[in-house]
Amino acid sequence: DTEVTQTPKHLVMGMTNKKSLKCEQHMGHRAMYWYKQKAKKPPELMFVYSYEKLSINESVPSRFSPECPNSSLLNLHLHALQPEDSALYLCASSQGYSNQPQHFGDGTRLSIL
Amino acid sequence: AQKVTQAQTEISVVEKEDVTLDCVYETRDTTYYLFWYKQPPSGELVFLIRRNSFDEQNEISGRYSWNFQKSTSSFNFTITASQVVDSAVYFCALSEENTPLVFGKGTRLSVIA
Repeated sequence: DTEVTQTPKHLVMGMTNKKSLKCEQHMGHRAMYWYKQKAKKPPELMFVYSYEKLSINESVPSRFSPECPNSSLLNLHLHALQPEDSALYLCASSQGYSNQPQHFGDGTRLSIL
Repeated sequence: AQKVTQAQTEISVVEKEDVTLDCVYETRDTTYYLFWYKQPPSGELVFLIRRNSFDEQNEISGRYSWNFQKSTSSFNFTITASQVVDSAVYFCALSEENTPLVFGKGTRLSVIA
C-alpha cells in the first residue's frame, strides 16, 4: 500500500468531458507533484506545489488545471483533452523540494476517446 | 543542464543470477542528489535509495547494493540472486539544488523463473 492515494485508478473520458483526478497524502509533506507518463517512457513533470503554492508549471496546456486545496490534497482538473493525453498520471509528495525522495501514488490510467 | 543516462533499455536474467543496472549522470553542480526508483507492472514508483554528492559510501540493503563513483559519474545498482518479483522498470534520477527531479529513460528488468 502506498502512502499517497490517487483516485480514480482508471478513467475513460470523451474529449468534451470535464473530470478531476485526486491525490491525497497524510505524511505532512509540503511539496506535491503531478507527472504524466506515457508507455515505456520515464515520468514527465507537469506541476509542482510547494507549501500549497504553484511553484513550477512545465509549460503544460491549459486543458490541465491543477489545484491544491490544502497541504494534503492535490487535484488535477481535466477539460477538453486530446487523445494524445491518454497516459498514466502520477501524483507524488516529498518532505522538501528537490533533495528529498518523492513518494508516488499508484497513478490514474487515463484514456481519452 | 543535468542529465541521466541508462544505457541498458532491457535486461533479461534467469532467477538467482546477479544483475547490475548502470546509471551515468551529468551535472555541473557540486551539490546534487541521486535516486533509484522501481516501477513494477502495477504502475507506482517505489523509492529505493537516495544518495547525496558528498556521500560516496556504497550501500547494501538485503539483496540490493549501490555503487556510487564520482570519478566516473556513475551510480550503479546491483541485485544479487535475482527473483521474479524483481521484474520491473528501474529508473535512476538526479536532482540539483532547487531543481526538479530528472529521470533516466529506465531499464526494464525481466527475471525469468
